[in-house]
Amino acid sequence: DIQMTQSPSSLSASVGDRVTITCRASQDIRRYLAWFQQKPGKAPKALIVTASSLQSGVPSRFSGSGSGTEFTLTITNLQPEDFATYFCQQYNNLPLTFGQGTTLDIK
Amino acid sequence: QVQLQESGPRVVKPSQTLSLTCTVSGASVSSISHYWSWIRQPAGKGLEWIGRIYNSGYTNYNPSLESRVTISLGPSNNQFSLEVTSVTAADTAVYFCAREGVGGYGDGTKLFWYSDLWGRGTLITVSS
Repeated sequence: DIQMTQSPSSLSASVGDRVTITCRASQDIRRYLAWFQQKPGKAPKALIVTASSLQSGVPSRFSGSGSGTEFTLTITNLQPEDFATYFCQQYNNLPLTFGQGTTLDIK
Repeated sequence: QVQLQESGPRVVKPSQTLSLTCTVSGASVSSISHYWSWIRQPAGKGLEWIGRIYNSGYTNYNPSLESRVTISLGPSNNQFSLEVTSVTAADTAVYFCAREGVGGYGDGTKLFWYSDLWGRGTLITVSS
């Protein structure tokens, strides 16, 4: 299985800040990586697919980059509704695998 | 607007079979454009992809669970189901159903599928 190592596991920031979350794959996954946002009691929401393509309706303050084994999710100008848990998913190989998640909370 | 909702017994006894159903509203599990899948997350741990099914009944499973898991279409046209046999406490988790959509095309013909829409999840506890 492809291991996805996500960092940091938690992050404190303020409204208006810029934050970056990283996912590293244990082998080359090309650009087949998605990013998700999860809030307590809610369904996880896909934000970005193929490493950098924003899903419809997702604000442009979210962006993704990377290919191969290293990927980043960047959120600029943090808004109150952005405080949540974020995780990545590789879908280059079966079984699909996930990063452990990053909890973003208010400083 | 497509939505997915998990349902089933919330408590299962050890050694018995866990059975869950996902009801899809606003879409059909007969769609040729999607797979339908199950994912779980034990408390304090990461997400684990269990497996998926296509409209033909074709399935893929996580090798770590394959011997105990069955994913099937139905019981009705807009539902798909999960069974996990011989459960133990290690199977206690939040179980999500999800739709998989195409997230890229490789080598011109191969499709790559990702979890593009999820249910809210349901906590299943294995306990006597």
